[in-house]
Amino acid sequence: EDKVVQSPLSLVVHEGDTVTLNCSYEVTNFRSLLWYKQEKKAPTFLFMLTSSGIEKKSGRLSSILDKKELSSILNITATQTGDSAIYLCASLQGAQKLVFGQGTRLTINP
Amino acid sequence: DTAVSQTPKYLVTQMGNDKSIKCEQNLGHDTMYWYKQDSKKFLKIMFSYNNKELIINETVPNRFSPKSPDKAHLNLHINSLELGDSAVYFCASSPRGGGVDTGELFFGEGSRLTVL
Repeated sequence: EDKVVQSPLSLVVHEGDTVTLNCSYEVTNFRSLLWYKQEKKAPTFLFMLTSSGIEKKSGRLSSILDKKELSSILNITATQTGDSAIYLCASLQGAQKLVFGQGTRLTINP
Repeated sequence: DTAVSQTPKYLVTQMGNDKSIKCEQNLGHDTMYWYKQDSKKFLKIMFSYNNKELIINETVPNRFSPKSPDKAHLNLHINSLELGDSAVYFCASSPRGGGVDTGELFFGEGSRLTVL
């Protein structure tokens, strides 16, 4: 069965810390790996990774895909309280199907 | 302007009832989806429509029936509600007809369904 597994499930750190969130996938017909941030309501898109080893960056967030290890990491440096959210990883399978992981709940304490 | 809007945002109902959730997108996208997020925050695809045509139909009970009157709308009707149907239901759309090529799903704000 296709699956995406994230770790840790929950993480609590202090403002200013750097965090690394992990995602591993086991899906057929893999196309891309995506990261979303979910605060109170709708998930919002962060990154899409298709090629192995190429880092994508957006401000303090960065992500990279390792197709050999079937995994991806999301890094957040100099964390702020506004980074507190659930971070969802998803594998794009075939044309349209996204298989989501269970999410990592990140809490940043001041 | 809300890009993907769902109504109602909250729905509390008794077991056995029938209910509908409506979704509309004003982004001009061809593809729309229904996702279910359970209490553990697992987001699972239920249905996908491309230009009113059903593309993905995951293992979802027959009690769930999607309807797409046009490509801007995708409604979800649920018959004979059960306790296990309690969840947040997200509607989403994607920019490319026939594929999530950019990877970017635009989600609605979710409809929290509680079955008592």
